[in-house]
Amino acid sequence: DSGVTQTPKHLITATGQRVTLRCSPRSGDLSVYWYQQSLDQGLQFLIQYYNGEERAKGNILERFSAQQFPDLHSELNLSSLELGDSALYFCASSVGGTQTYEQYFGPGTRLTVT
Amino acid sequence: DQQVKQNSPSLSVQEGRISILNCDYTNSMFDYFLWYKKYPAEGPTFLISISSIKDKNEDGRFTVFLNKSAKHLSLHIVPSQPGDSAVYFCAANSGNTPLVFGKGTRLSVIA
Repeated sequence: DSGVTQTPKHLITATGQRVTLRCSPRSGDLSVYWYQQSLDQGLQFLIQYYNGEERAKGNILERFSAQQFPDLHSELNLSSLELGDSALYFCASSVGGTQTYEQYFGPGTRLTVT
Repeated sequence: DQQVKQNSPSLSVQEGRISILNCDYTNSMFDYFLWYKKYPAEGPTFLISISSIKDKNEDGRFTVFLNKSAKHLSLHIVPSQPGDSAVYFCAANSGNTPLVFGKGTRLSVIA
């Protein structure tokens, strides 16, 4: 158990809909990272928050947004969903704000868009 | 453009033998390399890392080798155990840039 929790574990929704994925980092970790893993793909970095502020941005679509709240949990919002958004979404956390710190991953949320 | 490539999608090894997982990268700015291991229905877990100032790092049964001139790294597992069966991801970054992951290699250790 990494100490990172993600909810829900599974999510099935229709095209055009909007969903919110939630992540609670390990106790004491200030950074939260979001990754997307599509079929047969490696993990694609989406975005990083550090202590409530956006720290780094990757290949995140404009239809996707994220935030980190004062209690350090984070939410990833996916809107106008398309079939291609079906993927595993992982959240990770680390104690520091730079990407050199070890990242601890949650179990992931499997999103299926039908 | 894939900056980190794991060209073998899968690998089967007998228990007790050596497992060698390979990873190639194209970005010469990468200076930190990591291996993550992933079991089904779980998130990746950090396994071992190496900085570009080294060419080898060892942790128990796991050793990572880095060949900067060839832009190649490998993970050796000796001896391989059935519990090592998992997907292994290679990742790299430079300074404070985001980690770039390969697509993974599925290792099966056969008893």
